[in-house]
Amino acid sequence: EVQLLESGGGLVQPGGSLRLSCAASGFTFSSYTMTWVRQAPGKGLEWVSAISGSGAYTYSADSVKGRFTLSRDNSKNTLSLQMNSLRVEDTAVYYCAKGYGNSWGDAFDIWGQGTMVTVSS
Amino acid sequence: QTVVTQEPSFSVSPGGTVTLTCGLSSDSVSTSYYPSWYQQTPGQAPRTLIYNTNSRSSGVPDRFSGSILGNKAALTITGAQADDESDYYCALYVGRGIKVFGGGTKVTVL
Repeated sequence: EVQLLESGGGLVQPGGSLRLSCAASGFTFSSYTMTWVRQAPGKGLEWVSAISGSGAYTYSADSVKGRFTLSRDNSKNTLSLQMNSLRVEDTAVYYCAKGYGNSWGDAFDIWGQGTMVTVSS
Repeated sequence: QTVVTQEPSFSVSPGGTVTLTCGLSSDSVSTSYYPSWYQQTPGQAPRTLIYNTNSRSSGVPDRFSGSILGNKAALTITGAQADDESDYYCALYVGRGIKVFGGGTKVTVL
């Protein structure tokens, strides 16, 4: 069964750091783009950052550029999002999502259950 | 900044048909934007309905269909059922690895 399991969420103070992980199973991890999508409480979905199957290329939304770093370990089937200089407006549920293929235009076919990040003093 | 527009809400009667749209502030939506559609109920992760404009994701009932209507992407629900009551989001690929979601449409079935 294809599955994504996020972890690492929690409560952090403004300016702090947090590292989210997404454990993948049931598919050839290195063959697919992977993406983080977030959803602030009561708000819509926001695309955050994406990484190619090899890990050589990443793209991020302007709202997180320079603060968040996306990486993957294809040997461990794990996706990671290092979040630094966190702001109150980064408070959201963070979803890990698998692409249909390894092209940037590919939609997401599998979603994790999400992990909550709360930035508050 | 690219803005993707969706209707805030729609109401449909059981058995009825509703068409949601997904537009761009600065351009016409075409298949080159790889429109996709997602359904989300409160407290749940999104579920993929449609990808590449009109391809149905595995397990999605055929009452959901995607298309390009005029200068927008569209999601049509034909024969709406009570459990179609959800939030619906579209996403467009705008280049350089970046996707943008619309603000979502809340669909009520009553």
